[in-house]
Amino acid sequence: AQSVTQLDSHVSVSEGTPVLLRCNYSSSYSPSLFWYVQHPNKGLQLLLKYTSAATLVKGINGFEAEFKKSETSFHLTKPSAHMSDAAEYFCVVSVSRNAGNNRKLIWGLGTSLAVNP
Amino acid sequence: ETGVTQSPTHLIKTRGQQVTLRCSSQSGHNTVSWYQQALGQGPQFIFQYYREEENGRGNFPPRFSGLQFPNYSSELNVNALELDDSALYLCASSLGIAPYEQYFGPGTRLTVT
Repeated sequence: AQSVTQLDSHVSVSEGTPVLLRCNYSSSYSPSLFWYVQHPNKGLQLLLKYTSAATLVKGINGFEAEFKKSETSFHLTKPSAHMSDAAEYFCVVSVSRNAGNNRKLIWGLGTSLAVNP
Repeated sequence: ETGVTQSPTHLIKTRGQQVTLRCSSQSGHNTVSWYQQALGQGPQFIFQYYREEENGRGNFPPRFSGLQFPNYSSELNVNALELDDSALYLCASSLGIAPYEQYFGPGTRLTVT
C-alpha cells in the first residue's frame, strides 16, 4: 500500500537557523514526490517536485529536498529560516491508480513550522 | 496567465441544505481536482475531472458530485449537508491527468450549522 508519513506534526526553529521537515513514503513503484506549503488562510503552493530526475531538488524560497530511495525519504530543508516561512507544509506522493498514466495524490498530515524571532 | 479562482470565498449553510462551489481553472489546464480540508488536517481527495468526465474519486459519498464544463471550469455540489462537511474546499487545476503539478485556488470555507 502506498502512503506518506510526515514524522513531525510541529517544528519550531529560530530565524536564521536551518529547517528540516521530514517525510517518509511507501510506494510499490517509482513515485513522484512533492512538497506544498500553505500559509494561514491561503491556498496551497507547490514548493518543489521530484519526478525521477535529479535526486536533489531545488524549489522556491530557498527550499531543497533530497530523494533517498534506500531510506524512502524526501526530507525538506532550508539553510536559514525566515519569519515568512512560518506555514503548514505537506509532503505528497503521486502513485499509479492502475496501468497507464492514471495517478492519484496521497497527502501527508502536514507539519506546522513556527519561526521564532 | 490567470490563476485558479474559486467562489464564493465563504459560505454558511444549514444542515440538510445543498451547496454549489465553483472553480475556474488556470489558463490552459484541462484537469480539475477537488479536495476537502478539515481544520488542522491535510487535504482529502474528493474527485478529479478531465475533459468534462470524472476521472477518479476518493472516499466520499454520492451526495458529493461535480461537473466540468467545456471551458474546463468546474462545480462541486454537495447535497444533504452534514455538520462534518464544514471544511475548506480546495480546487486544483493541472494539465493532463498525471498530476505532476497542481495549482490550487484559495479555497471556499464552508460552515454547516
